[in-house]
Amino acid sequence: NAGVTQTPKFQVLKTGQSMTLQCAQDMNHEYMSWYRQDPGMGLRLIHYSVGAGITDQGEVPNGYNVSRSTTEDFPLRLLSAAPSQTSVYFCASRRSAYNEQFFGPGTRLTVL
Amino acid sequence: KNEVEQSPQNLTAQEGEFITINCSYSVGISALHWLQQHPGGGIVSLFMLSSGKKKHGRLIATINIQEKHSSLHITASHPRDSAVYICAVRIRTGNQFYFGTGTSLTVIP
Repeated sequence: NAGVTQTPKFQVLKTGQSMTLQCAQDMNHEYMSWYRQDPGMGLRLIHYSVGAGITDQGEVPNGYNVSRSTTEDFPLRLLSAAPSQTSVYFCASRRSAYNEQFFGPGTRLTVL
Repeated sequence: KNEVEQSPQNLTAQEGEFITINCSYSVGISALHWLQQHPGGGIVSLFMLSSGKKKHGRLIATINIQEKHSSLHITASHPRDSAVYICAVRIRTGNQFYFGTGTSLTVIP
C-alpha cells in the first residue's frame, strides 16, 4: 500500500493563480481531511469529508474548495491564490471517526 | 484561544535521558493522539488514547481525563528521537481535531 500520497511536493504560485493540490489514499478510508501548518501554530483543519460525495468546512475554509467524487481522491482547490495561503498542506485519512489518522508527506506552497 | 497547550515548546536532552512532554486541553474529547513530525516534514501517529496508559518500545503515553492532561515519556532517549511531537485531541461532538503547536525535541549524543 502507498498509504496517503500528495502531489506536488513543492509549488510556487503568483497571486491570483489557481491550482489543485492532489491527495489520494489506497486504504479504503472513509474520512479524509486537509490541514495547513503554519509556523508557531498547530495544524488547522481546512475541509474534511466523511465519505464520497460528502464534504464539510473546517476551521479555515475561506479561499479553498474541495470535492470527493471517489473514496480514494480528495483534491484541494485554490481558486485565486493569496500570499496568506503560503503554508505547508497535509492531507490525512482514517478508517472512521474513531481511528488514528494517516498523513501524507505534505505540499509546501509559496504564493508570491 | 488554544484548545490544546503543550509544554515545553523546546527541549534539549543528552542521549539516555528520560524525557517528558506534557499536553493540556480545555475541551471535551473522545480521544487524544500523539504524533511525531521529523525534520523532513512527515507526520506519523504514535498513540491514540482515550484512557489510562499505552506503551510502544521506549515510548509511554498516559492520559488523565478528569484533569484533561496527557504526558508522553521517552525512556533512554536517542538522537533518532529528535523530532517535533504534537498532541491532538478529537472533540467529543463532531469529527474535528485540535492540535497543539508541538514540542521540538533535540537529543544530543
